[in-house]
Amino acid sequence: GQNIDQPTEMTATEGAIVQINCTYQTSGFNGLFWYQQHAGEAPTFLSYNVLDGLEEKGRFSSFLSRSKGYSYLLLKELQMKDSASYLCAGEPNSGYSTLTFGKGTMLLVSP
Amino acid sequence: DAGITQSPRHKVTETGTPVTLRCHQTENHRYMYWYRQDPGHGLRLIHYSYGVKDTDKGEVSDGYSVSRSKTEDFLLTLESATSSQTSVYFCAISEGGEGGDYNEQFFGPGTRLTVL
Repeated sequence: GQNIDQPTEMTATEGAIVQINCTYQTSGFNGLFWYQQHAGEAPTFLSYNVLDGLEEKGRFSSFLSRSKGYSYLLLKELQMKDSASYLCAGEPNSGYSTLTFGKGTMLLVSP
Repeated sequence: DAGITQSPRHKVTETGTPVTLRCHQTENHRYMYWYRQDPGHGLRLIHYSYGVKDTDKGEVSDGYSVSRSKTEDFLLTLESATSSQTSVYFCAISEGGEGGDYNEQFFGPGTRLTVL
C-alpha cells in the first residue's frame, strides 16, 4: 500500500516552535493535507499543499517537497490549546476522491 | 462548519448483532466516506460513495456494507458485529476535487461503538 509516515509523539513548550514531519512515497500522491484533531473530537482541516514550497497561515505553516516525498507542519508561538494530534494525509495520484492518512502525531504542549 | 451529523453518537452492542450507523449532510456534497479510527492505526477508510447508489470499498471494508439512497444520507452496516469492530467511526464529506479545487474533507463528530 501507500505509506505515510510521521512521528508518533512530540513534546514542546508553550511559546516555542515545533516542526512535525511527514514522509511518503513520491510516486503515490498528488497533494498533501494536514488536519488537527483534539482528543475526543473530529479532525479539522489545517492546510493543503500541492506545489513545492511553504504555505503560511498565521501561526501555522506547511511545507511540501514533492521530489523528496516530504512535508512538514510548522507551529509557531505554541499555545496550550495546540496540544492535539496532527494528521498528515495524501491525495492519491489514482484519483482525487480519497485520502490516505498517516497514523498521526500527538503533540503535547507544556507550560 | 459543514452540516454533517452522525447517529447514534454512542452505541454498545453484543457480538453477532447487526448495527447501522447513519451519516447525514446538509451540504449537498457529492462524496461521502466512512472511516474507523483506532489507536496505533490512525484513520482508515472503510467505504466511500461518489453519488447516489455509487459506492466503492476502502482499505478495511471486510465485515461492513454501505448504502446511499439519497444524496444526504450514507449508512454503514455491520451485518454481524465482532469485538474487532469496536472503534470510533467518522463520516466525512467532500465536493470531490473537481474543477481544479482540492478535495478537502469535512468530518462528522464521530460514533463510538463498543461490541461486547
